[in-house]
Formats: sequence, structure tokens, C-alpha cells
Amino acid sequence: NAGVMQNPRHLVRRRGQEARLRCSPMKGHSHVYWYRQLPEEGLKFMVYLQKENIIDESGMPKERFSAEFPKEGPSILRIQQVVRGDSAAYFCASSRNPQGQETQYFGPGTRLLVL
Amino acid sequence: GENVEQHPSTLSVQEGDSAVIKCTYSDSASNYFPWYKQELGKGPQLIIDIRSNVGEKKDQRIAVTLNKTAKHFSLHITETQPEDSAVYFCAVPTSGTYKYIFGTGTRLKVLA
Repeated sequence: NAGVMQNPRHLVRRRGQEARLRCSPMKGHSHVYWYRQLPEEGLKFMVYLQKENIIDESGMPKERFSAEFPKEGPSILRIQQVVRGDSAAYFCASSRNPQGQETQYFGPGTRLLVL
Repeated sequence: GENVEQHPSTLSVQEGDSAVIKCTYSDSASNYFPWYKQELGKGPQLIIDIRSNVGEKKDQRIAVTLNKTAKHFSLHITETQPEDSAVYFCAVPTSGTYKYIFGTGTRLKVLA
């Protein structure tokens, strides 16, 4: 049973470009969460999605960031007009159910570097 | 909102010794407490978790204890090995929901 998959693993962008990060949840999981990790810090919640629905985007910056989880295909975290402060590791997690006692399983992350 | 504090931030132990990492939380409604291990360049991997209906859970060399009254839970690693060296994070779902609040991490170094 494959785990959470993310690609690319590393992404380099110049300021002003767009970054697209992809996440495929574990088989049987329909709940996807995106977290951001700055160097030497813990993970910070960004957004929670179910298929075709954004449930909670309270941790995501209002501008330049968007997320989707289409009916077919992976979840996408999109960052437009990247700035140096967007450099971080972005992790996707998935769970079978969204309740608080449900374990979230994390992918290997995408490390974004903005030059 | 939920506040999670994790201590210590760094911990060095000799191989074979025990390591203990502690997290405190603020939301008394929290009822699930996972611990993750993150190796360099990788994503967090669940190593053990505990639910609020028990006070302790053990899995070979790893154990977690929970004190709901004092609102803290601890990770215990016995007979540490060099491959235990990593950053360990505790997490607490906010008010029993999906939104995990992570501790700031503990960098464990096991000296051979």
C-alpha cells in the first residue's frame, strides 16, 4: 500500500514565477491537508481539502496561494508570483476520516527554493 | 486556540541510554496525541500515538505517557541507538479536529 506521494521533491523558482506542488493521498484516504515547515521550525497547518471541496483554508495566506483537490488526480498547492519568503518545505498529509483522533500520514515533502 | 510547547529543543544521549521528550498543551478537549519522527530531508513519520482513554502505550523501545489532568504527554525511548537520531515532533489536534498543532521539535542525537 503506497504511502502519501508528493512531487516534485525539490523545486527551484525565481521570484515572480509560479510553483505547483502535487500530492496523491494514501489509497482509501479522501482527506488531504497541507502544512508548511520553515527551517528549524515545526509544521504549520495551511489548508484541508476533500475531493472537489476546500473545507478549511484558515492557515493559508489570502493572496497568491490556492489549493485544489479535483475529482480525478492529485491535490495541487499553487503559489503564484513566488517571493523569497515562500522558501520552505511543504508537506501533504492524508487521513481516512477528518476527526481529531484520526492519524494523519505525511508525504516526503516538496522543498521549494525561491531565488 | 491550542498552544503546544515541547522540551527540550535538543537532546544528546549516549547509545544505550534513555531519552525523554515532553509536550504540554492547553486545550483540555484534546483527545489524541501522536508523535512523529523526521529524518533529514524526509517527511514526518508516525512512531507512536495515544488516545485519551489510556495513560500509557508501549511499542518495543518506544513508549508514550499521558497525563490529562496536567495536560502533558511524553515520549520515552529506551536503549537508544544511533538510528534514533532525528527530530521528533509532538502534535495535538485543535479541539479534537483535523488541524494539528505541532510542537517546535526536539533534535535527538545519539552518540555512539
